[in-house]
Amino acid sequence: GNSVTQMEGPVTLSEEAFLTINCTYTATGYPSLFWYVQYPGEGLQLLLKATKADDKGSNKGFEATYRKETTSFHLEKGSVQVSDSAVYFCALSDTNSGYALNFGKGTSLLVTP
Amino acid sequence: EAGVAQSPRYKIIEKRQSVAFWCNPISGHATLYWYQQILGQGPKLLIQFQNNGVVDDSQLPKDRFSAERLKGVDSTLKIQPAKLEDSAVYLCASSLGGPGDNSPLHFGNGTRLTVT
Repeated sequence: GNSVTQMEGPVTLSEEAFLTINCTYTATGYPSLFWYVQYPGEGLQLLLKATKADDKGSNKGFEATYRKETTSFHLEKGSVQVSDSAVYFCALSDTNSGYALNFGKGTSLLVTP
Repeated sequence: EAGVAQSPRYKIIEKRQSVAFWCNPISGHATLYWYQQILGQGPKLLIQFQNNGVVDDSQLPKDRFSAERLKGVDSTLKIQPAKLEDSAVYLCASSLGGPGDNSPLHFGNGTRLTVT
């Protein structure tokens, strides 16, 4: 079946540091890949997505590239801000799941001034 | 646009009691999802509706959980009887399109259920 594995958190970084959150997936088909973010006290919201191999999703300075050869979709940001503190979820969807999202466990990020 | 509305925000019940959650999706959104998020884990799909039909309920514990989406708009999720392990945040989400078009999901703030 489909599954998503994310790096364990929490991740603590100083402001302006480089961020990488690793995500790998297992899927039988050709999934679409997503990063969702949950800010404190708010609901989950889509951060970025990629629907086919080698696509790069980007938003708010975050980027992730769909790597079919390594089955990965790592999230990166060159310079994090305190306001990026949140929980980040990697997710996939494909035909085998009726296109519903299959989430990883989430990675908590804390950025300190 | 108004977001996905859920109520109540919090609910505390004793085991073996029943509870119901309500969701009002974004207007015009055809697909509605209920997810269960246990503390420290990612959301797990319970049931997916397109309009008022069920697309996927394979992970819904049907001996105690039920859900309906009458008229293809609002939805309710019910647990009867509740168990301690049902303590979680129940998230409702909706999307404009149906399965296969990768419409982004819009999530509500969830209902936090505590079963004592």
